[in-house]
Amino acid sequence: GNSVTQMEGPVTLSEEAFLTINCTYTATGYPSLFWYVQYPGEGLQLLLKATKADDKGSNKGFEATYRKETTSFHLEKGSVQVSDSAVYFCALSDGDAGGTSYGKLTFGQGTILTVHP
Amino acid sequence: DSGVTQTPKHLITATGQRVTLRCSPRSGDLSVYWYQQSLDQGLQFLIQYYNGEERAKGNILERFSAQQFPDLHSELNLSSLELGDSALYFCASSVDYWTSAYEQYFGPGTRLTVT
Repeated sequence: GNSVTQMEGPVTLSEEAFLTINCTYTATGYPSLFWYVQYPGEGLQLLLKATKADDKGSNKGFEATYRKETTSFHLEKGSVQVSDSAVYFCALSDGDAGGTSYGKLTFGQGTILTVHP
Repeated sequence: DSGVTQTPKHLITATGQRVTLRCSPRSGDLSVYWYQQSLDQGLQFLIQYYNGEERAKGNILERFSAQQFPDLHSELNLSSLELGDSALYFCASSVDYWTSAYEQYFGPGTRLTVT
């Protein structure tokens, strides 16, 4: 079955530091890949997505590239802010070769990010 | 605000009891998903409905059931509750599940505590 593995947390950074959160996956077919963010006391918000190999998803300064050859979708941000402190989840869904995603999401275990001023 | 609403926000109940969690999807969304978030299991898919019909099942216990009503709201029923059922239960919705309009939008969750 599908599975997602994220780097162990928590991650603690100073403001303006570079962020990388590693994510690798196991899936058959053509999965779509997502990063979701969960702020304290809130539900999950979609941060970015990529539906085909070599696609780059980006939003709010965050980026991730769908690497089929390494089955990875690492999240990066050049300069983090205190407001980026949250839990980040990598996820995948079934998809097709045309880039359409559908069905349930399979999540990684989440990575807690804390950014200090 | 995602547009997905869940009630109640918090629920405290005793072992052996039954509870109902409610979810209203975003306007226009036909598909509803339920997920369970716990410390030991992480975020796990439970069940999906599309336009009133069950479409996919995940790791949902037999003590749990769900339905989607004609007005598209959904309810998750948890019975014979055990301490291990304590978790955050999320509902998500999407327009459909087979096109690029697939994106899932999550509600704020219902925190269930079983004592």
